[in-house]
Amino acid sequence: NAGVTQTPKFRILKIGQSMTLQCTQDMNHNYMYWYRQDPGMGLKLIYYSVGAGITDKGEVPNGYNVSRSTTEDFPLRLELAAPSQTSVYFCASNYLQGRNTEAFFGQGTRLTVV
Amino acid sequence: SQKIEQNSEALNIQEGKTATLTCNYTNYSPAYLQWYRQDPGRGPVFLLLIRENEKEKRKERLKVTFDTTLKQSLFHITASQPADSATYLCALDQAGTALIFGKGTTLSVSS
Repeated sequence: NAGVTQTPKFRILKIGQSMTLQCTQDMNHNYMYWYRQDPGMGLKLIYYSVGAGITDKGEVPNGYNVSRSTTEDFPLRLELAAPSQTSVYFCASNYLQGRNTEAFFGQGTRLTVV
Repeated sequence: SQKIEQNSEALNIQEGKTATLTCNYTNYSPAYLQWYRQDPGRGPVFLLLIRENEKEKRKERLKVTFDTTLKQSLFHITASQPADSATYLCALDQAGTALIFGKGTTLSVSS
């Protein structure tokens, strides 16, 4: 059982470049999330999705876009990368039923924008 | 919007002692509250969930309490070990939708 899989694990981008962070889960979870974590800080919510075709902004959505065409996949798109987007990005998912179940996290993507 | 505060950024204790971590939240009371462990370079891992109608929950050496009047949860690790050293995150739902996290408390257990 793979759980939540994120790719790539590491990436260096130049300012102004674009990229997509991939996230896939095989647990048939309704909810999926993207967080960023800066050194010494907690997880800040970028975007989340409550199901295929439905997405919503979190606390820090500027500079990012998402889509949810299937239950399994929730890619995060960075357009025109900026140094402020240097961070570790985590994808997570959990199950809607009762909305009280544990969230599973991917291993993270460490992104550096130079 | 809902806010979460974990009062201590760092907590240092000796092996064998009980570690107590605090999580406070503002605004409405969530239906449940969760605690996660995060090791350096890894994603958070779920530890315990407590519902609003539960005052206390235990799992092995871990205990969580939930006081909706004080808007506070306490997380206890008894008989702490160096292997318990990690960052512990409190999480709850944002208006019944997305899961949001506190900044975490980094626990160091010395032998």
